[in-house]
Amino acid sequence: GNSVTQMEGPVTLSEEAFLTINCTYTATGYPSLFWYVQYPGEGLQLLLKATKADDKGSNKGFEATYRKETTSFHLEKGSVQVSDSAVYFCALSARGDTDKLIFGTGTRLQVFP
Amino acid sequence: GAGVSQSPSNKVTEKGKDVELRCDPISGHTALYWYRQSLGQGLEFLIYFQGNSAPDKSGLPSDRFSAERTGGSVSTLTIQRTQQEDSAVYLCASSAREVGQPQHFGDGTRLSIL
Repeated sequence: GNSVTQMEGPVTLSEEAFLTINCTYTATGYPSLFWYVQYPGEGLQLLLKATKADDKGSNKGFEATYRKETTSFHLEKGSVQVSDSAVYFCALSARGDTDKLIFGTGTRLQVFP
Repeated sequence: GAGVSQSPSNKVTEKGKDVELRCDPISGHTALYWYRQSLGQGLEFLIYFQGNSAPDKSGLPSDRFSAERTGGSVSTLTIQRTQQEDSAVYLCASSAREVGQPQHFGDGTRLSIL
């Protein structure tokens, strides 16, 4: 079946450090891929998405590239801020499967000044 | 409003009681989803509605859970005879029904079963 695997957290970084959160997926066909973010005390927000191979999603300085050959969608940011502290969820939506989202377990990011 | 609205934001109830959770999707979004976020299970799909089609109930954990969507808009998730393991945050999302369109989430209902 379809699934998403994310790196375990928490990830602890100093401000301005480089961030990578790994995400790999298993799916039949060509899923759409998403990163959602949940800030403390808030709901899930879409961060970025990619709908086909080699697409790069980007938002707020975050980027992720849809790599079909490695079935990956790693999240990166060149210089994190304290305000980026949140839980990040990688997710896929398999076309023809009601578009329901299958989420990874989430990765907590803590950024210290 | 502009976003997905859920009510109540918090619900505390005694084991064995029934609860109803409400979701008001973004206007014009034909697809509506319910998910559950719990410590032990992460984020799980529960049920999906698309227009007037039969819902996909494949994620409902037991027959105590049901949901309906009236008039293609507002949805209600009902849990009967609640158990402590039902304690979780219940999230509703809606989307436009085109390929790759993202789901927009409400703030959720935090359900606590005593």
